[in-house]
Amino acid sequence: AQSVTQLDSQVPVFEEAPVELRCNYSSSVSVYLFWYVQYPNQGLQLLLKYLSGSTLVKGINGFEAEFNKSQTSFHLRKPSVHISDTAEYFCAVSDRFNDYKLSFGAGTTVTVRA
Amino acid sequence: DGGITQSPKYLFRKEGQNVTLSCEQNLNHDAMYWYRQDPGQGLRLIYYSQIVNDFQKGDIAEGYSVSREKKESFPLTVTSAQKNPTAFYLCASSVTQGRQETQYFGPGTRLLVL
Repeated sequence: AQSVTQLDSQVPVFEEAPVELRCNYSSSVSVYLFWYVQYPNQGLQLLLKYLSGSTLVKGINGFEAEFNKSQTSFHLRKPSVHISDTAEYFCAVSDRFNDYKLSFGAGTTVTVRA
Repeated sequence: DGGITQSPKYLFRKEGQNVTLSCEQNLNHDAMYWYRQDPGQGLRLIYYSQIVNDFQKGDIAEGYSVSREKKESFPLTVTSAQKNPTAFYLCASSVTQGRQETQYFGPGTRLLVL
């Protein structure tokens, strides 16, 4: 199974500042990549996904992510955050060797301060 | 209003007791999943089902059981054999279990041991 590493467990950031959440995965085989957001005591909501094509993927709420095959990374970015972006963010990966089941990172908690 | 519902929102279990978590979807999705979420560990797959009357163990199936008698429903039973059941449980579904299918999540059930 894929191993997914989210390099930062906590990211504090000021409102209107940019944020980057880092995600690396273990295998260089053909993969499908996802970012989900979880607000307190809620389920996961899909932010964006990479299946094929352009390596820069745009998602909801102004987020975007870039797939880098050589570095096996899929970092998430937002140029200007809002208080409402305070949440936990999960990177997930699937591939054909694991029957396309999702492997999740441990999550990154983003806290936006005024 | 289509979606995935989980009930109850909070559930309390006594020692030695079996409890069942409900997951229902009206999205006409074929595949359904159960995950367990612990702080700092991301999501781990308990069981999944690709079609009615069929299901497979995930990474941490011990102490859990499931059934899939209807397409819309995938209940999870936490048995007395699960010695550390306190966690947030998330149900998800997708159209099929395939490489380009996105999983959509319910709001979760928090299980606490008395």
